[in-house]
Amino acid sequence: ETGVTQTPRHLVMGMTNKKSLKCEQHLGHNAMYWYKQSAKKPLELMFVYNFKEQTENNSVPSRFSPECPNSSHLFLHLHTLQPEDSALYLCASSQGDSGANVLTFGAGSRLTVL
Amino acid sequence: AQSVTQPDIHITVSEGASLELRCNYSYGATPYLFWYVQSPGQGLQLLLKYFSGDTLVQGIKGFEAEFKRSQSSFNLRKPSVHWSDAAEYFCAVGTTFGNEKLTFGTGTRLTIIP
Repeated sequence: ETGVTQTPRHLVMGMTNKKSLKCEQHLGHNAMYWYKQSAKKPLELMFVYNFKEQTENNSVPSRFSPECPNSSHLFLHLHTLQPEDSALYLCASSQGDSGANVLTFGAGSRLTVL
Repeated sequence: AQSVTQPDIHITVSEGASLELRCNYSYGATPYLFWYVQSPGQGLQLLLKYFSGDTLVQGIKGFEAEFKRSQSSFNLRKPSVHWSDAAEYFCAVGTTFGNEKLTFGTGTRLTIIP
């Protein structure tokens, strides 16, 4: 399998649930990202990991908890979310320090919070 | 901070007609510019990028874009659109070579009519 794979593709959860989104990249990249895509708004960068270390937390609420166990895997743990957190969550990867500036995106996980 | 404006939320063109999608950016130095396309239910795919050199860049699927520093623009063009080009198009700006934290515009939805 190649590229960036995200699971699940769709998730419906209540405000008190705990769930996780998973992202896996098979490109040998060193950097991974979580973006939030809401209707009528620009993509919002949430977190950046370089070589498994978090290098960016863009003022994301603590109900979103990222985890990057290795350069190929990235998780987003979700807990006590709000309805306004419903969105498409996109994972991306890149070479990191190579200067490529090119992101490769997954297909996204569509989250609905009831 | 940098910003990106895509003034057209929705554009409709006839199949076979030419296309131009507008993108304006705000940044004090030379930016790194990108166009991504998102088909329904999919993640974002890179169409083309500008880093330096020739201001007219060619991308995949017959798209091209021209960087105009004097106008702070990076408009996307295609001489003849196909029904499969129907999608959402995002312009993005990066500000540091090697830093993949991109700022995205709000997107332009393209509809193709027969």
